Amino acid sequence: GNSVTQMEGPVTLSEEAFLTINCTYTATGYPSLFWYVQYPGEGLQLLLKATKADDKGSNKGFEATYRKETTSFHLEKGSVQVSDSAVYFCALNDYKLSFGAGTTVTVRA
Amino acid sequence: DTAVSQTPKYLVTQMGNDKSIKCEQNLGHDTMYWYKQDSKKFLKIMFSYNNKELIINETVPNRFSPKSPDKAHLNLHINSLELGDSAVYFCASSISRTQRRNTEAFFGQGTRLTVV
Repeated sequence: GNSVTQMEGPVTLSEEAFLTINCTYTATGYPSLFWYVQYPGEGLQLLLKATKADDKGSNKGFEATYRKETTSFHLEKGSVQVSDSAVYFCALNDYKLSFGAGTTVTVRA
Repeated sequence: DTAVSQTPKYLVTQMGNDKSIKCEQNLGHDTMYWYKQDSKKFLKIMFSYNNKELIINETVPNRFSPKSPDKAHLNLHINSLELGDSAVYFCASSISRTQRRNTEAFFGQGTRLTVV
């Protein structure tokens, strides 16, 4: 079956630091890959997506590249802000949406 | 306009009670879902409906019963509530499960259920 594995948190870093959250997947087909973000007390929002190999998704300074050879979709941001504090979920869609366990990120001023 | 709305936002109830959570989407999507998020933020899919037809029914106690009166609504009824049912329940929708592999799901704000 399909599955998503992402790095465990929590992750705590200072403002303007570099953020990486690792995500790898297992799928039998050719899934699309997503990063969702959940701010405190809210539902999940789509952050970015990539639908085929070598695609790069980007939004709000975050980027992730679909790497078929390493089955990865790592999330990166060069300079985080306090407002980026949230839970981040990696997900894949191969006709069924599967989520990773979520990574809690706290950014301190 | 809220795309996916669920009510209530908070629900506190006693063990043994029966309660319902309602969900509506105004996006014209064919597919709707219920997810359960536990205290560690882990998301588990419970049910999925495509055009009012149940297509995913994960290992969920049969005290949980989804109902989809039309493709814009998916309600969740829970009988005989237990302490372990305390969680945040999210409703979501997407264009179509089978036709669009590359489409994302849109989530509601969640219902925080507390069983005391």
